[in-house]
Amino acid sequence: DAGITQSPRYKITETGRQVTLMCHQTWSHSYMFWYRQDLGHGLRLIYYSAAADITDKGEVPDGYVVSRSKTENFPLTLESATRSQTSVYFCATRTGPGNQPQHFGDGTRLSIL
Amino acid sequence: EDQVTQSPEALRLQEGESSSLNCSYTVSGLRGLFWYRQDPGKGPEFLFTLYSAGEEKEKERLKATLTKKESFLHITAPKPEDSATYLCAVLNQAGTALIFGKGTTLSVSS
Repeated sequence: DAGITQSPRYKITETGRQVTLMCHQTWSHSYMFWYRQDLGHGLRLIYYSAAADITDKGEVPDGYVVSRSKTENFPLTLESATRSQTSVYFCATRTGPGNQPQHFGDGTRLSIL
Repeated sequence: EDQVTQSPEALRLQEGESSSLNCSYTVSGLRGLFWYRQDPGKGPEFLFTLYSAGEEKEKERLKATLTKKESFLHITAPKPEDSATYLCAVLNQAGTALIFGKGTTLSVSS
């Protein structure tokens, strides 16, 4: 039971480069989320998706792009990476309504030099 | 504005020394308060959901309680394997996403 798989687990890139973080789920949960976790800020929502082809902004969406053409995949793209986007990125899923718990992947640690 | 504040930021306990972690929140019409455990290098792991004041849930040495303004995570006779960061979150007013606190890092020594 793989659940949520995030790839890569670690990534180092340079400012100005485009980078895509992948998230794949095996549960067919409707909702998927992207968070970033930084010291002093906790987890903050970047984007979320209620279903395939339906996405919406979270608290900190600037500089990020998402797509969801298939239920099981929810990639996050940094179009032109900046140092402020160095962070740990977590993907999460949820089966249905908001009062159901979210389940998280193990994260991608991204460093932008 | 929806907000979650956790205290203390860090807590050191001896094995067997019980204590409580606090999560205070401001949100109109609470629809769910969630507790997670996070180990280093891992994603948050779901522990409990609480929906209404007075509700309590237990799992092994952990017990979560909820009032109208705050939640407590009580840890009874902790063991070193309980060492982790504990995160509290509430569902936002729109019901679309979780608002997380910054967490409490618990260290239990033998």
